[in-house]
Amino acid sequence: SQQGEEDPQALSIQEGENATMNCSYKTSINNLQWYRQNSGRGLVHLILIRSNEREKHSGRLRVTLDTSKKSSSLLITASRAADTASYFCATDDGGTNAGKSTFGDGTTLTVKP
Amino acid sequence: DTEVTQTPKHLVMGMTNKKSLKCEQHMGHRAMYWYKQKAKKPPELMFVYSYEKLSINESVPSRFSPECPNSSLLNLHLHALQPEDSALYLCASSQPGPGSSGANVLTFGAGSRLTVL
Repeated sequence: SQQGEEDPQALSIQEGENATMNCSYKTSINNLQWYRQNSGRGLVHLILIRSNEREKHSGRLRVTLDTSKKSSSLLITASRAADTASYFCATDDGGTNAGKSTFGDGTTLTVKP
Repeated sequence: DTEVTQTPKHLVMGMTNKKSLKCEQHMGHRAMYWYKQKAKKPPELMFVYSYEKLSINESVPSRFSPECPNSSLLNLHLHALQPEDSALYLCASSQPGPGSSGANVLTFGAGSRLTVL
């Protein structure tokens, strides 16, 4: 099974609301990344958080990492219709797999105008 | 140039055809990847080239044959595919690449949508 599991699978909110999606993983990691994918397109890197970090911000994005619970969350504040996309976490567990990113199942976010 | 370019955008082929997907990047990245993505699923890693050498093959069937002619180009040769191989094929690149201590941020192309009839 995939290293990362995300919930919810789907999330529908109104423009201006905040969106939170969660990612859980099974093994210890070097870092965790979040990517966005618009329908049928390539993925775009959003933010990276390393295993020794607990929180990072980038614009309207806030990512937290709890290595004791093997989980991460992505918060998008003041959402916009353009944020409608699928969001994937990707983990890099280091060692012989260093640099080999494994993607979670993804959360599909719909932001209604 | 911060792009990964994939061609063609769409490809329809029969099970007896031979075709190729192409990927190009000019960011100086030394690792290039092929991912396969089925509808409503996450990308699944197929192959990784690091410094133009195949470093990871995720037990992909031999009907998929990757090639890295130089550090900027990555091809995926397709032969005798099955209908279940229909998917979005994504190319990505990163610097430095697998096996290194640095974090690998992937830059993806827009994908090639493959339909096998």
